[in-house]
Amino acid sequence: GQQLNQSPQSMFIQEGEDVSMNCTSSSIFNTWLWYKQEPGEGPVLLIALYKAGELTSNGRLTAQFGITRKDSFLNISASIPSDVGIYFCAGQLAGNQFYFGTGTSLTVIP
Amino acid sequence: GAGVSQSPSNKVTEKGKDVELRCDPISGHTALYWYRQSLGQGLEFLIYFQGNSAPDKSGLPSDRFSAERTGGSVSTLTIQRTQQEDSAVYLCASSLGRVSRETQYFGPGTRLLVL
Repeated sequence: GQQLNQSPQSMFIQEGEDVSMNCTSSSIFNTWLWYKQEPGEGPVLLIALYKAGELTSNGRLTAQFGITRKDSFLNISASIPSDVGIYFCAGQLAGNQFYFGTGTSLTVIP
Repeated sequence: GAGVSQSPSNKVTEKGKDVELRCDPISGHTALYWYRQSLGQGLEFLIYFQGNSAPDKSGLPSDRFSAERTGGSVSTLTIQRTQQEDSAVYLCASSLGRVSRETQYFGPGTRLLVL
């Protein structure tokens, strides 16, 4: 299947710091998605990106769809303890084909 | 309900036994996905249902895995003769089934442990 390389694998940051994570792929995707998963829960959609170059914000979260359509990044500004969780990127090819990254585990130290 | 529900939330079974995992999608969603999430890994696609079309089974890891979706709503994932490597979180997601700008909504998952 398609390979999405997500980095970093884990992050330990102080409360208030900004966070950046990214995904790259060898394939071109039509859509990039960013999810957050908390313990014992399923992933929850944070941001969806549909066009190359698109930059979208959701509160303190900002994500961009790379110009080449092979990458995307997610930034979290001024992190707070409730940002803790695992963040996944996902790329969508045609129709039902979604491919997920291996996740970035975020720990925020108060 | 308002979201995707899955049952059981946890399942412990012995190697060689069969298990059934259930997913109730969001009402009106025609698309339904099953994924497997192993510890520290991303989501691995298993199977996809869209309306009355034949399901996309391309992600099922072996013939011990099968899934049904009855009446276009509830889905059951069955694992026969479970093995220890089947231990994982099994996630179900549903979506409206549109061609583009599709958003998947995930259930909380079933945590399967095969002893």
